[in-house]
Amino acid sequence: DGGITQSPKYLFRKEGQNVTLSCEQNLNHDAMYWYRQDPGQGLRLIYYSQIVNDFQKGDIAEGYSVSREKKESFPLTVTSAQKNPTAFYLCASSPAGANTEAFFGQGTRLTVV
Amino acid sequence: ILNVEQSPQSLHVQEGDSTNFTCSFPSSNFYALHWYRWETAKSPEALFVMTLNGDEKKKGRISATLNTKEGYSYLYIKGSQPEDSATYLCASPARTSYDKVIFGPGTSLSVIP
Repeated sequence: DGGITQSPKYLFRKEGQNVTLSCEQNLNHDAMYWYRQDPGQGLRLIYYSQIVNDFQKGDIAEGYSVSREKKESFPLTVTSAQKNPTAFYLCASSPAGANTEAFFGQGTRLTVV
Repeated sequence: ILNVEQSPQSLHVQEGDSTNFTCSFPSSNFYALHWYRWETAKSPEALFVMTLNGDEKKKGRISATLNTKEGYSYLYIKGSQPEDSATYLCASPARTSYDKVIFGPGTSLSVIP
């Protein structure tokens, strides 16, 4: 079945450590996105990518990094520079950007301990 | 309006009631307006992608209208059922970047049996 897979579902990290969240899609979509959700808030855009080897900062990119070496993969690294990393992270993809619907993964809940 | 806004923040209705909520977005440089439904423990799923002023879309008991000149969209649910309980998100590309899709904070709907 086609879709987006995020892993792991739950992730615990010690303060000061980098951690990478995986996002893989087999929908052949060009665009991919990372969003963050905090309690009581909406989805905020961290990074997005329209094409392989290219990505753009969203509204809250500080403390995060991404790569897009393959069309199907868009991993997100939460670095130690991210001051409040505990959150729910959602990955999404869409065929060709803003006028096509996005498809979402199941999300990763990251907790810093 | 600089961002995507939604109202109300939450809504509780009785089963069988009809309801509606609002999404407001920047009307200049409009590209598209998306509606998503996000049920607890699931991924957000697209309901509608709307691009034309005056557009009206329908899926079962749910419909949406779009006014791009004044920058708002309404989502209507006729005869609400408990399975309609979810958070409803709208999203629109940023004025400065077609592929930067920005989400509103969502409207949380609870349908009481």
